[in-house]
Amino acid sequence: ETGVTQTPRHLVMGMTNKKSLKCEQHLGHNAMYWYKQSAKKPLELMFVYSLEERVENNSVPSRFSPECPNSSHLFLHLHTLQPEDSALYLCASSQDPGLAKNIQYFGAGTRLSVL
Amino acid sequence: AQTVTQSQPEMSVQEAETVTLSCTYDTSENNYYLFWYKQPPSRQMILVIRQEAYKQQNATENRFSVNFQKAAKSFSLKISDSQLGDTAMYFCAFMSFDMRFGAGTRLTVKP
Repeated sequence: ETGVTQTPRHLVMGMTNKKSLKCEQHLGHNAMYWYKQSAKKPLELMFVYSLEERVENNSVPSRFSPECPNSSHLFLHLHTLQPEDSALYLCASSQDPGLAKNIQYFGAGTRLSVL
Repeated sequence: AQTVTQSQPEMSVQEAETVTLSCTYDTSENNYYLFWYKQPPSRQMILVIRQEAYKQQNATENRFSVNFQKAAKSFSLKISDSQLGDTAMYFCAFMSFDMRFGAGTRLTVKP
C-alpha cells in the first residue's frame, strides 16, 4: 500500500459516455500527477498539479479534463473518448513537483476500456 | 529531450539466481536522479531503488543493486537471489524536471 488510492479499478465506457477517475493520497504531498500507461510504451505524463494548480499539461486532448479541488484529491474527467484512449491510467503524488529527488508514489491505476 | 531506453522487453531467471536489467538514457543535464520501479500484477508501481547522479557510489537496497555509469549514461539493475515475488514489470525512470520512463522489462522468475 503506497498511500495513493484510485477508483474505480476498472471502467468500461462507450465513446459518448462521461465518466470520472478519482485519485486520493494520504501522504500529505503537495504534487499530484496523471499518467497514461499503454502496452509496450513508456508511461506518458498527462498532467501535473502543485498545490491544486496545474503546472504542466503535455498536450493532452481536451476530452481529458483534470480537476484538483485540494492537495489530497485529483480527478480525471472523461468525455467522448476514442478506442485508442483505452489504457491504464495511473495517479501519483510526491512531496513537491519538479524536485528531482522527490519520489513519486503511485496508485494501482484504473484500467479503462473504451468501446 | 530526455529519453530512457530499456532494450530487453522480456527476461526470465531461475529462482535464487541473479539477473541484470539494462537501462540507458540520454540527457544533457548534469544533475538528475534515476529510479527503478517495479509493477507487479497488482499494478501498483513500487520504488525499488534510487540513484543520485552526483553520487559515484552505486545504490543498494537488500537484494537490489545498480551499476551506474554516468559517462556511458547507463543504469542497470541487478537482482540477486531472485524470488518468485520479484516477477513483475520493471521500469527505469529518469528525473530532472519531470519523470521520464522506459517502456519496461517484463521479468519472470521461474521456480
